[in-house]
Amino acid sequence: AQKITQTQPGMFVQEKEAVTLDCTYDTSDPSYGLFWYKQPSSGEMIFLIYQGSYDQQNATEGRYSLNFQKARKSANLVISASQLGDSAMYFCAMREGLLRGKLIFGQGTELSVKP
Amino acid sequence: GAGVSQSPSNKVTEKGKDVELRCDPISGHTALYWYRQRLGQGLEFLIYFQGNSAPDKSGLPSDRFSAERTGESVSTLTIQRTQQEDSAVYLCASSSLSIGEAFFGQGTRLTVV
Repeated sequence: AQKITQTQPGMFVQEKEAVTLDCTYDTSDPSYGLFWYKQPSSGEMIFLIYQGSYDQQNATEGRYSLNFQKARKSANLVISASQLGDSAMYFCAMREGLLRGKLIFGQGTELSVKP
Repeated sequence: GAGVSQSPSNKVTEKGKDVELRCDPISGHTALYWYRQRLGQGLEFLIYFQGNSAPDKSGLPSDRFSAERTGESVSTLTIQRTQQEDSAVYLCASSSLSIGEAFFGQGTRLTVV
């Protein structure tokens, strides 16, 4: 069964510094997709970045990059040049199957950016 | 519509009553997901619909929970005989087969008193 784990309940980072949020996953399916979402205190779910299991290069979207280490089954989110507005809950998610299949979420990491 | 729409945004109900939560996905999205998020917790998968395939109901916590979707349109999540532990935000999301990420609605905050 697919499983996704975020081991950091909370993280602090100084404004303008980089931060890495950890995510590990477990699946026996060779085809899968990995996602990161941001949930501010307002409650909306904001899609940040996607990595497919066959993608050769790490995904990047602006200040967000995904450090994909397939052999270690990890998909860490790196946020560069943190901003106060980055303070939020961050969820890692996985889908078995690249485009079809249920989407399972980790427990989340609460990121606080300090001025 | 432009985004995923959920209604009502807030629902307060008495213990033991039935409730229906509605989700209107983005037009053309074949996949639809329901999640439960308790206060300060992660997203708990409930059910997944993909087109006309049989839904994946593996996350429904009890037989009090059920969901329906007609084709690729609106979905309804029904909770029968509500309990206080059902209090949570219920989130709906949809996605297409051409773009993998799921787009979320604003959620329905359910409070059982």
